[in-house]
Amino acid sequence: GAVVSQHPSWVICKSGTSVKIECRSLDFQATTMFWYRQFPKQSLMLMATSNEGSKATYEQGVEKDKFLINHASLTLSTLTVTSAHPEDSSFYICSAPRQGRYYEQYFGPGTRLTVT
Amino acid sequence: AQRVTQPEKLLSVFKGAPVELKCNYSYSGSPELFWYVQYSRQRLQLLLRHISRESIKGFTADLNKGETSFHLKKPFAQEEDSAMYYCALIHGTSYGKLTFGQGTILTVHP
Repeated sequence: GAVVSQHPSWVICKSGTSVKIECRSLDFQATTMFWYRQFPKQSLMLMATSNEGSKATYEQGVEKDKFLINHASLTLSTLTVTSAHPEDSSFYICSAPRQGRYYEQYFGPGTRLTVT
Repeated sequence: AQRVTQPEKLLSVFKGAPVELKCNYSYSGSPELFWYVQYSRQRLQLLLRHISRESIKGFTADLNKGETSFHLKKPFAQEEDSAMYYCALIHGTSYGKLTFGQGTILTVHP
């Protein structure tokens, strides 16, 4: 089956610093990837759609300048949390659908971000 | 705007008992509905898709457009079914953007 990886799996950073999270589709190409945020024992909230070769599309209420998304290749999307604050601490999950099969989505294992 | 509602945050049953996880949706068009499952310390994975009308791990779900529901059912729950279950929908123009319900934590007791 298809695999999506995320790196790092866990990161701690100091308030005011930036942190980058990578999402890779390991054995398939993904022109679109999605970034979600999940609070403990709560639902996934879609943050943005990452599009290869073009700008990301952000959901309402998500700060574009704070959550920078770059989809550099058909297998890699990165989410950079800039000037992180404690309220940004969360679990960030990416997903990638197979090309042409939007209903067949594969999720990464998630990245736990703790901002101190 | 589309919305998915899972009214039960927690659901506990005993092994061998039937289980039903409720899901209601609101969407003006024809949505595609899914159930995703997240076992402890594992990533989210697809359980069911309404279009395929499959039975996976003994689970079934029927789309009821009149009641705008997509409840997940299993006649005899097993301990390994204990997990977080999410109902989700994709609306026609979203190219795979999922709207998730709040999730239901199912615990199956021995």
